[in-house]
Amino acid sequence: AQKVTQAQTEISVVEKEDVTLDCVYETRDTTYYLFWYKQPPSGELVFLIRRNSFDEQNEISGRYSWNFQKSTSSFNFTITASQVVDSAVYFCAAMIKAAGNKLTFGGGTRVLVKP
Amino acid sequence: GAGVSQSPSNKVTEKGKDVELRCDPISGHTALYWYRQRLGQGLEFLIYFQGNSAPDKSGLPSDRFSAERTGESVSTLTIQRTQQEDSAVYLCASSVQISPLHFGNGTRLTVT
Repeated sequence: AQKVTQAQTEISVVEKEDVTLDCVYETRDTTYYLFWYKQPPSGELVFLIRRNSFDEQNEISGRYSWNFQKSTSSFNFTITASQVVDSAVYFCAAMIKAAGNKLTFGGGTRVLVKP
Repeated sequence: GAGVSQSPSNKVTEKGKDVELRCDPISGHTALYWYRQRLGQGLEFLIYFQGNSAPDKSGLPSDRFSAERTGESVSTLTIQRTQQEDSAVYLCASSVQISPLHFGNGTRLTVT
């Protein structure tokens, strides 16, 4: 069975600081997909990124970047020059093909960006 | 509609009553998921539909919980004899195969 662990429950930073959110996943399968979602205070879940297990290229999208390392089963997320609007709960999730496309979420990391 | 629609948005019920929560997925999305999120907690998987069948019901917490999907469209999550621990936001999501899940805004259930 797959498992996703987000060890950091809450991170507090001052605006313009960088913040890195850790995500470690467990699976014995070779084909899987990793996701990050953002849940702002309003409650809706916003999709940020999907990576498949065969593509270890890191990705940058504006102030967001992701570091996927299969060797350590990690898919970390960095927000550069954080802003107050980045305050939210961020969830890492994994979908294992052999498990029938069930998406398993980590416990989430609450990010608080102070002005 | 453009997104996943859930109704009602809020539901307050007395302990012991049955409730039905509805989810209208995005048109054409074959996969439909139900999750539960208790206050301040993560997302707990309940059930997943592929078409009208549910290959994974492993997350349903008890036999008081059931779900069905008809016409590869609307899904209903039913909770019988509600308990206070059932209070949570129930989130529905839909997708096409491995594409990202699109979530609805959820139904906030309060059992008094």
